[in-house]
Amino acid sequence: SQQGEEDPQALSIQEGENATMNCSYKTSINNLQWYRQNSGRGLVHLILIRSNEREKHSGRLRVTLDTSKKSSSLLITASRAADTASYFCATDGNFGNEKLTFGTGTRLTIIP
Amino acid sequence: EPEVTQTPSHQVTQMGQEVILRCVPISNHLYFYWYRQILGQKVEFLVSFYNNEISEKSEIFDDQFSVERPDGSNFTLKIRSTKLEDSAMYFCASRASGGYNEQFFGPGTRLTVL
Repeated sequence: SQQGEEDPQALSIQEGENATMNCSYKTSINNLQWYRQNSGRGLVHLILIRSNEREKHSGRLRVTLDTSKKSSSLLITASRAADTASYFCATDGNFGNEKLTFGTGTRLTIIP
Repeated sequence: EPEVTQTPSHQVTQMGQEVILRCVPISNHLYFYWYRQILGQKVEFLVSFYNNEISEKSEIFDDQFSVERPDGSNFTLKIRSTKLEDSAMYFCASRASGGYNEQFFGPGTRLTVL
């Protein structure tokens, strides 16, 4: 798989349920970030997790990072219709390499 | 809350024409980036810029592309002679110095080359 591959590619759930999206990557990272993109719009920064962190919370978001498996997950609890969007993970490399490498994204649809 | 802004939101141009995409990064940020997203594809890094010079560029960022910070607030991406395959959404991003590499993105400029 390529650097930053999310799965599933698409996810539909009922409003109020939890949504879990996964991201895998191949090379060592400094940080992993999650972004949201509403259809055809800009990228909204959600959360950053550093390579020495295992879990981070922000509101209804919970991110985990497993560097041994080179994977991360994003959990959105108590989903709302407004959470309908595409979600991307983005990694940056070691040694000050700042450029972000994005995954292919998970298209999340919340059914009211 | 401060945010990155981009103009125009949509630009239509003829192949071979020059375009300039403009960005106003968050005011106390010192690191600037351009990315692009071809419809249906991944977001791809183009270039990073710090201290008035390019820090890193991708293979996409060839001689047709240039970036400039003409004053204390704007950051521009110029495409000298547009090609059909330059049609994409172009995103500007910025981040603060120090801390971690949290990059904040603008809403994008959709470039359509005819």
